[in-house]
Amino acid sequence: NAGVTQTPKFRVLKTGQSMTLLCAQDMNHEYMYWYRQDPGMGLRLIHYSVGEGTTAKGEVPDGYNVSRLKKQNFLLGLESAAPSQTSVYFCASSKPGGAPNYEQYFGPGTRLTVT
Amino acid sequence: DAKTTQPPSMDCAEGRAANLPCNHSTISGNEYVYWYRQIHSQGPQYIIHGLKNNETNEMASLIITEDRKSSTLILPHATLRDTAVYYCIVSSNFGNEKLTFGTGTRLTIIP
Repeated sequence: NAGVTQTPKFRVLKTGQSMTLLCAQDMNHEYMYWYRQDPGMGLRLIHYSVGEGTTAKGEVPDGYNVSRLKKQNFLLGLESAAPSQTSVYFCASSKPGGAPNYEQYFGPGTRLTVT
Repeated sequence: DAKTTQPPSMDCAEGRAANLPCNHSTISGNEYVYWYRQIHSQGPQYIIHGLKNNETNEMASLIITEDRKSSTLILPHATLRDTAVYYCIVSSNFGNEKLTFGTGTRLTIIP
């Protein structure tokens, strides 16, 4: 199993450009998440999904949109990139249900720079 | 309000046990304690979790105090590959699947 994969690994955008980050998982997990991590900080949840066709806002959703058209994929979109969105973006997935079945599996991250 | 408090950094000699403390004085009865770690710039990795009993797996042991207001993650024989940022997280997750990561403890294993 590849686990959780993210595409692309690196990207440089200019202010105002748009892009989509792709997250894919092959573990048949119901739940998927997008986090961002700024230098020296912990991870902050952007959006998450508890199943195909459903999404919900996390802690810092502004400026981002998401879609979960297929169970194995979770897309994160930036419609008009801003320098404040320069960050490392991590995707994660987990089995359904709450505690204690709550191990999240993380992807390797996408390093995004907005100039 | 922060749910957990961890020291920002710790050192441990290679081969010794690394004991990472975490305070969670406002933990409620249905909240679990989770530990994750992040090596360099990789995605976080799950280590262990517990409710009120001590737990052990192939990676680490988790000791939770009887009043559940604090816990300690123990890496029994630390290696250089254990150098990472360790996050202690408290969450109930019932109907709300979110983890809140703080800034964690940066553990450095000294050769």
